[in-house]
Amino acid sequence: YELTQPPSVSVAPGQTATIPCGGDNIGTQSVHWYQQKSGQAPVLVVYDDRARPSGIPERFSGSNSDGSTATLTIARVEAGDEADYYCHVWDRSGGQSVFGGGTKMTVL
Amino acid sequence: QVQLVQSGAEVKKPGASVTVSCKASGYTFLSYNIQWARQAPGQGPEWMGIVSPGGGATPAYKFRGRLTMTSDTSTTTVYMRLRDLTNEDTAVYYCARSSGANSRFDHWGQGTQVNVSS
Repeated sequence: YELTQPPSVSVAPGQTATIPCGGDNIGTQSVHWYQQKSGQAPVLVVYDDRARPSGIPERFSGSNSDGSTATLTIARVEAGDEADYYCHVWDRSGGQSVFGGGTKMTVL
Repeated sequence: QVQLVQSGAEVKKPGASVTVSCKASGYTFLSYNIQWARQAPGQGPEWMGIVSPGGGATPAYKFRGRLTMTSDTSTTTVYMRLRDLTNEDTAVYYCARSSGANSRFDHWGQGTQVNVSS
C-alpha cells in the first residue's frame, strides 16, 4: 500500500495551505498527520482524519471524504509552520503502518 | 508529561548488530504499545514494528528474522535490536507511543542516529 504526497508546497504567510495524501480507497482508512521540523522528531497534528491533539492550534484541520485523497489544511499560515508533513495510515490488508513520502511546506 | 527518551547515537560496521533503547515515563506503561520507525535522509518514516508492554512483538515483514523488540516493565524501557546491518540501515530510529497497531503515534522519542559504515 502506498501513500502519495507532493514533494513540496509553498504558501505566503496568512494564506491557507492544503497538503494532499493519495491512496487507494483512503477514504475507508483513518489518516493521521505529523509535522516534522528540521532536525526534530515528528509531532502528531491531526489524527483519525480530523481530530486534533491537545495543544495543536485550530488552524490545523484534516479531511478524508473524497475516496482517494485525504487532506491536511493549515489556515492562516505562520512562519513557524514551515516543516515537512507526513500522512500515515494502518494498512489493514497488509497488516502494517504506512507513511507518505512527505511534503515540504515553505512559507514564502 | 509523556516522555520517551532514547539511547545515544551509534556507529556500526556492516554485519554488526545495534540495540536502541527507549525509556518511557509520564504515563501508565502497561496501557500503551511502543512502535518503532526509522527515517533515512530525505525520506518519510518507515514502520519497523510494534511491541506491547507485556513483550509481545510484531515486526514488519521487511524486518522479520533480523529485528527483535523487547519490553522491560520493571524499568519501563523498550529495546529494539537490528542484526546483520548494511549501509542501507543508516537512518534515524524512533520509538513512539500508540494505543494499538492501527493507531496514531501520539508521542515520539527524540530519535537515535545509527550510521553503518565500513
